[in-house]
This record gives sequence, C-alpha cells and structure tokens, in this order.
Amino acid sequence: QVQLQQSGPGLVTPSQTLSLTCAISGDSVSSDSAAWNWIRQSPSRGLEWLGRTYYRSRWYNEYAAFMKSRITINPDISKNQFSLQLDSVTPEDTAVYYCASGERTFDPWGQGTLVTVSS
Amino acid sequence: EIVLTQSPATLSLSPGERATLSCRASQSVSTYLAWYQQKPGQAPRLLIYDASTRATGIPARFSGSGSGTDFTLTITSLEPEDFAVYYCQQRSSWPPEYTFGQGTKLEIK
Repeated sequence: QVQLQQSGPGLVTPSQTLSLTCAISGDSVSSDSAAWNWIRQSPSRGLEWLGRTYYRSRWYNEYAAFMKSRITINPDISKNQFSLQLDSVTPEDTAVYYCASGERTFDPWGQGTLVTVSS
Repeated sequence: EIVLTQSPATLSLSPGERATLSCRASQSVSTYLAWYQQKPGQAPRLLIYDASTRATGIPARFSGSGSGTDFTLTITSLEPEDFAVYYCQQRSSWPPEYTFGQGTKLEIK
C-alpha cells in the first residue's frame, strides 16, 4: 500500500522560499497511473489544492491558478519523492501542508507539516 | 472556479442516529464528487468517490448519493468514531482544478 512521508522546516521567514519533500513508498513517482499532489489547509481558507506532478510518457506539472507564479513541484526519480517550492512567502501562506496521491481524488495523504511564516 | 457549499456547518447528533450532510456545487460536476473525513490532528481520509462509491475499507454505514449540483453523504447509525469534520471535493478537467467545501462538523449531542 502507498505511504507518503513528508519532511521539511516548520518555520520560514517572510519573502523566503518554502520547501517541502514527500517520500513515496509502495509506488513509483514515475508511475503512469498516479499523480502526486500538494494541498494545504488553514483556518481562514480551508483546504486548497496547490498543484501536482505526474508522468504520462513525459512529465506534467499543473498548478492552481492562484499559485501559478510562485509554485514549483518537481519529481525526484532517484529518491522516489516529489517536492514543493513556494517562493516569496507571506504570513498568509501559514498553513498545514499535505502531500497526497491521486488523479481524481486524494488517497492516501502524508502526515501534514505545519509551516509558519514569521520573522 | 466551482464553489462547493456544505450544509449544515455543524450537526449535533447522538450515537445511533442517522446523519445527512449536504454539498451543493455552483455548477454541475456530474458525479465527480468525493467525501473525506478529518479528525483533529490527522489528514483527511477518503470515504466516497464518484459521488457514491465507497473507498477501500470504508464501512457500509457510509453512503453517498447525488449528481450534477446536489450531493448527500449519509451515515446510518452513528458510531462514536464518526464524530469528525466532513469535506466534499470536486475536480474539473480543464483547467485542472480541485476544490473543497468548507466542511461540516459532526459533533456529539
């Protein structure tokens, strides 16, 4: 069964880059039937899908429109994981960040990482 | 962007009772709707996908129905572990977009 393990810092300084990693076990990041997502949750905005990466003969990256200019999601084939980078963060980016597997729905999810943006 | 509106915001019931949760979409999502359960400190867990199909390992007391813009999650005979927050989620093919409802908190009366 697929399991996702997140890692990354819980505190980021405003204007800097938020970076998180999601390690996959039980599947391959290069699977041609899977998709690898990042989702965040905050009290003010609820659950928000941020974007995904997936492989279908070539790599695809798709991002939520509201994030498009600041976000990068990359696969790491050698380590069987994928990453999230969010540039120029502000306190409004404070949230619990989740990675999740799925093309139409999200299952399973990582354990979540609370990221606080503060100086 | 398709907006999902869940009602009620909070539902107070007793164990053994029947729970009916609603999710309304701002435009048709066909049957591309899923339901999740979230308990404090945990990630959401997939319960229902394609409006009415239970995910692996989900008890039969959970059922989903609906199509188009109106959907319902029903939990027959509530167990103590069912008290949690429930979210609906839809997907749009193009542009690729996934949105969630704001949640319904199911609390013990």
